[in-house]
Amino acid sequence: GENVEQHPSTLSVQEGDSAVIKCTYSDSASNYFPWYKQELGKGPQLIIDIRSNVGEKKDQRIAVTLNKTAKHFSLHITETQPEDSAVYFCAATLTNTGNQFYFGTGTSLTVIP
Amino acid sequence: DSGVTQTPKHLITATGQRVTLRCSPRSGDLSVYWYQQSLDQGLQFLIQYYNGEERAKGNILERFSAQQFPDLHSELNLSSLELGDSALYFCASSVGSNSNQPQHFGDGTRLSIL
Repeated sequence: GENVEQHPSTLSVQEGDSAVIKCTYSDSASNYFPWYKQELGKGPQLIIDIRSNVGEKKDQRIAVTLNKTAKHFSLHITETQPEDSAVYFCAATLTNTGNQFYFGTGTSLTVIP
Repeated sequence: DSGVTQTPKHLITATGQRVTLRCSPRSGDLSVYWYQQSLDQGLQFLIQYYNGEERAKGNILERFSAQQFPDLHSELNLSSLELGDSALYFCASSVGSNSNQPQHFGDGTRLSIL
């Protein structure tokens, strides 16, 4: 199966600064990479995703980049706000071994006002 | 609000017991996925159903089973419960059967085994 590693496990930034979370995956056949935000007491919420035929995708303050050669993808949050504080999970998926997401271990982001 | 509904929100029971967790997918979604989230294992895929049929299986224990009904809601049955089964159980849904499309998660059922 797929192995997804996520770094860092915790991240603190000042409000207004940028935050970057990085993930690597092991199987070059992975073709879909979603990012989820999980707030306390809630389920993971999809915030952005990228497919293997695209190198970068942006949605307002959030962007994701994908480097297929190096097998890593990153989440970039600019102009961070206190409400961005949450746990963020990356995931990778490949359809030739079943229909499941392989999740990273999560990054706890704290935005300090 | 993801549109995925899970009940109950909390469940407290004892070792050896059996429980049933319920999930209603988003309107129009045919696939339902079950995940277990624990502190030491992260989010682990258990099983997927698509339009009533099992489509993919992950690290699901033999003591656990699931099904999807004609109205597309799904139930996860956990039996002979052990302390280690204490975790958050999430249901997610998607439109189709392939995993290369967004999955939308419910807010989970917190299961505590005493």
